[in-house]
Amino acid sequence: ILNVEQSPQSLHVQEGDSTNFTCSFPSSNFYALHWYRWETAKSPEALFVMTLNGDEKKKGRISATLNTKEGYSYLYIKGSQPEDSATYLCAFLYSGAGSYQLTFGKGTKLSVIP
Amino acid sequence: EAGVAQSPRYKIIEKRQSVAFWCNPISGHATLYWYQQILGQGPKLLIQFQNNGVVDDSQLPKDRFSAERLKGVDSTLKIQPAKLEDSAVYLCASRWTEHNSPLHFGNGTRLTVT
Repeated sequence: ILNVEQSPQSLHVQEGDSTNFTCSFPSSNFYALHWYRWETAKSPEALFVMTLNGDEKKKGRISATLNTKEGYSYLYIKGSQPEDSATYLCAFLYSGAGSYQLTFGKGTKLSVIP
Repeated sequence: EAGVAQSPRYKIIEKRQSVAFWCNPISGHATLYWYQQILGQGPKLLIQFQNNGVVDDSQLPKDRFSAERLKGVDSTLKIQPAKLEDSAVYLCASRWTEHNSPLHFGNGTRLTVT
């Protein structure tokens, strides 16, 4: 079983603040790193799929970076808004011996206070 | 495109009863997953299908859980008999064949076993 760690577990920020979370994963047999946003009562929604070391992706006020050599990814939210309140999940896609396995972290629950 | 459809949305049963969940993936998505998400934990893979074949069911408790994907489209997940610890959200997801494709999730079924 692969270990994917996310921190912090939860955080509260004021509207307008910028914030970031961390996802740590094994540095070997890397294939891809996924980020998802899961709002309450909705389905998880894909934000990014990252594959290359040094990759940076951006979607509006949300961006992510990837370091496959040291096994971590950061997700940044600039100028948080109440609608950003959600659980953010990362998932590590492992590739080895012809098989692929996607393992999720426990998520970071973000609450943005108006 | 239409999203991943799941039903029911909520289910409450007593322990030792049986329950079934249904999933209709996005049209053309060959890969289908069932995940179990227990409160406070990340989604855990139960079973992965490629068309109508099982790719990974290593974490499926086969003494009580079963799943099928006849004709490689819709899928059902069954629990028989249910235990208290099966209380969780059951998520169905699908994706295109390429391993770098993001997962598309349904809204999930929240199961409560009393």
